[in-house]
Amino acid sequence: EAQVTQNPRYLITVTGKKLTVTCSQNMNHEYMSWYRQDPGLGLRQIYYSMNVEVTDKGDVPEGYKVSRKEKRNFPLILESPSPNQTSLYFCASSFRRGRFTGELFFGEGSRLTVL
Amino acid sequence: KNQVEQSPQSLIILEGKNCTLQCNYTVSPFSNLRWYKQDTGRGPVSLTIMTFSENTKSNGRYTATLDADTKQSSLHITASQLSDSASYICVVMEDSGGGADGLTFGKGTHLIIQP
Repeated sequence: EAQVTQNPRYLITVTGKKLTVTCSQNMNHEYMSWYRQDPGLGLRQIYYSMNVEVTDKGDVPEGYKVSRKEKRNFPLILESPSPNQTSLYFCASSFRRGRFTGELFFGEGSRLTVL
Repeated sequence: KNQVEQSPQSLIILEGKNCTLQCNYTVSPFSNLRWYKQDTGRGPVSLTIMTFSENTKSNGRYTATLDADTKQSSLHITASQLSDSASYICVVMEDSGGGADGLTFGKGTHLIIQP
């Protein structure tokens, strides 16, 4: 089954404790992206990747890191989480043809709470 | 800066009634527009894609329209059902020649269907 898998789905942590949210897709998609979703603000892009070893900042990259060492994986790293990073996070993937990005396939979301 | 504005922000209607959601955009040059449905606590799922040459496209009880001249799209839901309760997100893709992914998200319309 084609899917985007995120882990963990739920996490409560404390300020400053490094954490990683994993994202894996089995559709051989070139493009992957991370978003955070907060009430009233919609989905905001954190980082995206056009292909392996290629990553770019989105609209709200501060406090986050990513890596794309393999095509299927795109982990989101919070080196020193702060309470303002409490949010619902989504990973998405898509095919990429030339300069066009196709339909986004989203994971089920990871709800993060930073105390 | 590219923008996508959706209206209304939220909408409550009775089961069986019709409704129309709006999406206005300033993205240029335009490539395509997608409507996504996001059930509470789940990742968004694509409903339909509209390209420059398409005026109307239906997917069951969902009908999307596009007016590329006025840069407006609408999503019409006919004979609403309780399962239509969700957020509906408009995503516009720019026909960009640069390295950016070209995607601009609206903040979504939160639709509640009451029995």
